[in-house]
Amino acid sequence: QKEVEQDPGPLSVPEGAIVSLNCTYSNSAFQYFMWYRQYSRKGPELLMYTYSSGNKEDGRFTAQVDKSSKYISLFIRDSQPSDSATYLCAMSSGGSYIPTFGRGTSLIVHP
Amino acid sequence: GAGVSQSPSNKVTEKGKDVELRCDPISGHTALYWYRQSLGQGLEFLIYFQGNSAPDKSGLPSDRFSAERTGGSVSTLTIQRTQQEDSAVYLCASSLAQIQETQYFGPGTRLLVL
Repeated sequence: QKEVEQDPGPLSVPEGAIVSLNCTYSNSAFQYFMWYRQYSRKGPELLMYTYSSGNKEDGRFTAQVDKSSKYISLFIRDSQPSDSATYLCAMSSGGSYIPTFGRGTSLIVHP
Repeated sequence: GAGVSQSPSNKVTEKGKDVELRCDPISGHTALYWYRQSLGQGLEFLIYFQGNSAPDKSGLPSDRFSAERTGGSVSTLTIQRTQQEDSAVYLCASSLAQIQETQYFGPGTRLLVL
């Protein structure tokens, strides 16, 4: 079992839909949780960064962490075609500076 | 301000040749990371620098791979005697020492070994 599991998709949704992207993990030491967005032929771009459990909102994006279930989510409201990209989750423990990345979920938002 | 830059953006080489990939981190970022991303795969960690030293080289796949960092800034990843399986996107990221969980990535170097 990989430390971080992420469905590769693709996930195809109509414009305006609410998108839910998820990752599960097995290492209970993870405390820091990140979401990156990667457009085709570009490097990953940090979207959200959360510490421990709870929700964090930034515009149309909400990151949610449930440490008891070892499950994290990224919600995108009012999705736009410009949101079409691969979304990677990443997480790390306090003792390691090297995050563990999921494989990424490909999201397609069609007009 | 300027982000992380990498050069070249694309590199095509023949099997057996050596290649050098360059990374310029964000000014003031003391931590620097190299990753490899193959088609359909996640990010594979290669090496981590704190300043000029590399406390973690655990991800380098073989002794054909090496990296150095000079002046706490620019880093070079060298692949000797390239093989076709080395074909991938090589990504560099940097972060502040105090917030190493938040990494900022460059655009990557796309390496194709023929």
